[in-house]
Amino acid sequence: GAVVSQHPSRVICKSGTSVKIECRSLDFQATTMFWYRQFPKQSLMLMATSNEGSKATYEQGVEKDKFLINHASLTLSTLTVTSAHPEDSSFYICSAAGESYEQYFGPGTRLTVT
Amino acid sequence: AQSVTQLDSHVSVSEGTPVLLRCNYSSSYSPSLFWYVQHPNKGLQLLLKYTSAATLVKGINGFEAEFKKSETSFHLTKPSAHMSDAAEYFCVVRASGGSYIPTFGRGTSLIVHP
Repeated sequence: GAVVSQHPSRVICKSGTSVKIECRSLDFQATTMFWYRQFPKQSLMLMATSNEGSKATYEQGVEKDKFLINHASLTLSTLTVTSAHPEDSSFYICSAAGESYEQYFGPGTRLTVT
Repeated sequence: AQSVTQLDSHVSVSEGTPVLLRCNYSSSYSPSLFWYVQHPNKGLQLLLKYTSAATLVKGINGFEAEFKKSETSFHLTKPSAHMSDAAEYFCVVRASGGSYIPTFGRGTSLIVHP
């Protein structure tokens, strides 16, 4: 099956700094990538949808200037959490979809802001 | 519009006994339905999916689910639970004729007792 990787798997950063998370589709071209946030013991919350070469579409309530998403190629999307604060600490999961719209999920990134 | 309801937040079973995780959905279009499993601090792994073919779908690790249109249900079952099945399970609906953005259930935590 299709493989999606995320890097880093865990990151700890200080409050006020920015953190970049990468999502890569390793063996297929992802026309669309999705970014989710998951709080402890809760379901996934869709943050934004990005199509290669165009601006991301953010869900209601998600600050686009806080969570910068770039989908520069068909195999790479990045999520940058700018000026991170402790409340941004969470598990972030990406997924990638090709022409069939089938979504393949990455292993997730645990962000801790101290 | 589409939605998915996982009726139980927790299900507790003994090892070797059957597993039933319940899921009901609503969708304006013919739906695709998925079950994913998530172990702690891991990404989502696809167990099985229904995409308008056979209504009884067999997945990995002995799991299966039956699509029942009249009941708008897609319950996940397994004849005999293993300790390694303890995890969080998500039912997901995606409308095939409308938006390809999936909707996640809140999740069901499966607890397996020795």
